Amino acid sequence: GENVEQHPSTLSVQEGDSAVIKCTYSDSASNYFPWYKQELGKRPQLIIDIRSNVGEKKDQRIAVTLNKTAKHFSLHITETQPEDSAVYFCAASKAGRRALTFGSGTRLQVQP
Amino acid sequence: NAGVTQTPKFQVLKTGQSMTLQCAQDMNHEYMSWYRQDPGMGLRLIHYSVGAGITDQGEVPNGYNVSRSTTEDFPLRLLSAAPSQTSVYFCASSLEGRPYEQYFGPGTRLTVT
Repeated sequence: GENVEQHPSTLSVQEGDSAVIKCTYSDSASNYFPWYKQELGKRPQLIIDIRSNVGEKKDQRIAVTLNKTAKHFSLHITETQPEDSAVYFCAASKAGRRALTFGSGTRLQVQP
Repeated sequence: NAGVTQTPKFQVLKTGQSMTLQCAQDMNHEYMSWYRQDPGMGLRLIHYSVGAGITDQGEVPNGYNVSRSTTEDFPLRLLSAAPSQTSVYFCASSLEGRPYEQYFGPGTRLTVT
């Protein structure tokens, strides 16, 4: 089955700096790569996703990149703010597989 | 829309007890799933369903049963609780064609002593 590895497990940055979280996946047939944000004590929420036919996608301060050849994808957050502090999960799925495989999560702390 | 709802929010069980975690959604989503979240291990899929009457096992199904008699409801049953089942349980739903866009419930924190 699919295996998703996520690094780093914790990340501390100063407000205004950029943060990068990286994930690798094992199943070359995977073609959906969502990212979820989970604030403390809350439910995970989808923040952005990318499909395998796209190399990069941006939404304001958030961007995701995908390298299908290397089977890795990354989340980039620019101009970080304290409200970006949360646990971020990457995930992978593929058409016909009605499930997501999640990475182990990255706890991002933005220091004011 | 209430979205995805779960009850109870908190539960303490003794080893060997059984219970059912409730999950309901009002978005007419075909796909529903149960995850458990443990520190440092992300979200692991327990069981999922692609429609009423259809269920399948996920990554960690042992010790859990599910059924899907209606589109709206997807209860998770713990047959004989064990301390290893202490976790936070999340129910999620999505449209059939969009498995990557899952809507999560608020979670149930379960402690087994």
